[in-house]
Amino acid sequence: NAGVTQTPKFRVLKTGQSMTLLCAQDMNHEYMYWYRQDPGMGLRLIHYSVGEGTTAKGEVPDGYNVSRLKKQNFLLGLESAAPSQTSVYFCASSSSTSGDLYEQYFGPGTRLTVT
Amino acid sequence: AQSVAQPEDQVNVAEGNPLTVKCTYSVSGNPYLFWYVQYPNRGLQFLLKYITGDNLVKGSYGFEAEFNKSQTSFHLKKPSALVSDSALYFCALVAGFQKLVFGTGTRLLVSP
Repeated sequence: NAGVTQTPKFRVLKTGQSMTLLCAQDMNHEYMYWYRQDPGMGLRLIHYSVGEGTTAKGEVPDGYNVSRLKKQNFLLGLESAAPSQTSVYFCASSSSTSGDLYEQYFGPGTRLTVT
Repeated sequence: AQSVAQPEDQVNVAEGNPLTVKCTYSVSGNPYLFWYVQYPNRGLQFLLKYITGDNLVKGSYGFEAEFNKSQTSFHLKKPSALVSDSALYFCALVAGFQKLVFGTGTRLLVSP
């Protein structure tokens, strides 16, 4: 049981390049989230999904796109990377089960640098 | 708007002493509150949560948190700090359907 995994762990991009971050969870959770963490700003929600085939915007969605084609995977895409997207990205998942309601499980993070 | 505030960027405490990490919240309705911990180069780990019931919530690693409705606070506490407790601590609040709003984090440094 790996929990939430993220690929890759590190990445350096040049301005204008594109990339996709992959998140996978093996807990059969319905809900999945992408956050970015910046110093002094805590975690901010980029996009989230309440089920396979559905996505929604969070607090800071601009410049990102997401897809959830399979329940266990949640992809975050950057179509044209900008230096302002340098950050650490975390994926999380949660269940609708009443005992675990709202408790989110986090992946180890992806450190992205855009030069 | 629903929000949480962590007024201290850093808390320093000596090993063996009690520790408190502060969190206040703003929400309409009943708050659902969480504490998470982040060790260096790791993702966030759940510590404890308050949904309803007793105002004193016990969690992992000997941590507990006290919910105070009149002061809109949810402070994290531990009776005796360990060096290994040094980490970044986040308070969070449920804000909408299955979404959490996080505070800016408080770095806890426990000195030997």
